Amino acid sequence: AQTVTQSQPEMSVQEAETVTLSCTYDTSENNYYLFWYKQPPSRQMILVIRQEAYKQQNATENRFSVNFQKAAKSFSLKISDSQLGDTAMYFCAFFTYGGSQGNLIFGKGTKLSVKP
Amino acid sequence: DAEITQSPRHKITETGRQVTLACHQTWNHNNMFWYRQDLGHGLRLIHYSYGVQDTNKGEVSDGYSVSRSNTEDLPLTLESAASSQTSVYFCASSESGTTEAFFGQGTRLTVV
Repeated sequence: AQTVTQSQPEMSVQEAETVTLSCTYDTSENNYYLFWYKQPPSRQMILVIRQEAYKQQNATENRFSVNFQKAAKSFSLKISDSQLGDTAMYFCAFFTYGGSQGNLIFGKGTKLSVKP
Repeated sequence: DAEITQSPRHKITETGRQVTLACHQTWNHNNMFWYRQDLGHGLRLIHYSYGVQDTNKGEVSDGYSVSRSNTEDLPLTLESAASSQTSVYFCASSESGTTEAFFGQGTRLTVV
């Protein structure tokens, strides 16, 4: 079975600084996707960034980037130039293919607070 | 615009009652998921479906059931509500062969 572990229940960062959120996962699959989702106080789940396991290049979306280490099964999220609007719960997620099907498993989340 | 909607947004029910939470998506996605979100547990998968007439149990399926009679809807039923089922419930959908999941706004259920 696949598992996703986020070891940091809470983190804080000063506005404009950089913060890294950790995520590790366990799987025997070779083909999969990894995601970071953001959940602000509005409760809406928002996709931040995704990484295909077969790609060696780390994904980047504006101020958000990942450090994907496939052998170590590690998938950390770096937020640069943190903004007050980045305050939210962040969930790491793992998606597998099974034929044309898929399943999406989440970690327990990291609560990020950006301080002015 | 295509979307996924959950109803109701909030519900209070009594222990032992049957409750159904609705989820409707207009993307024509084959995959649909139900999660519950609890403090300290993240999102845990309850049930999922890969298409009409297909349903599968997730990590925390006891006390819940789903049925998929069409592509657009995956209602979640609590057969006999318990206080342990007080939670926020999220429905999500994704297209077969792609991976991005779209989430509803969530339903806050309180069992008293």
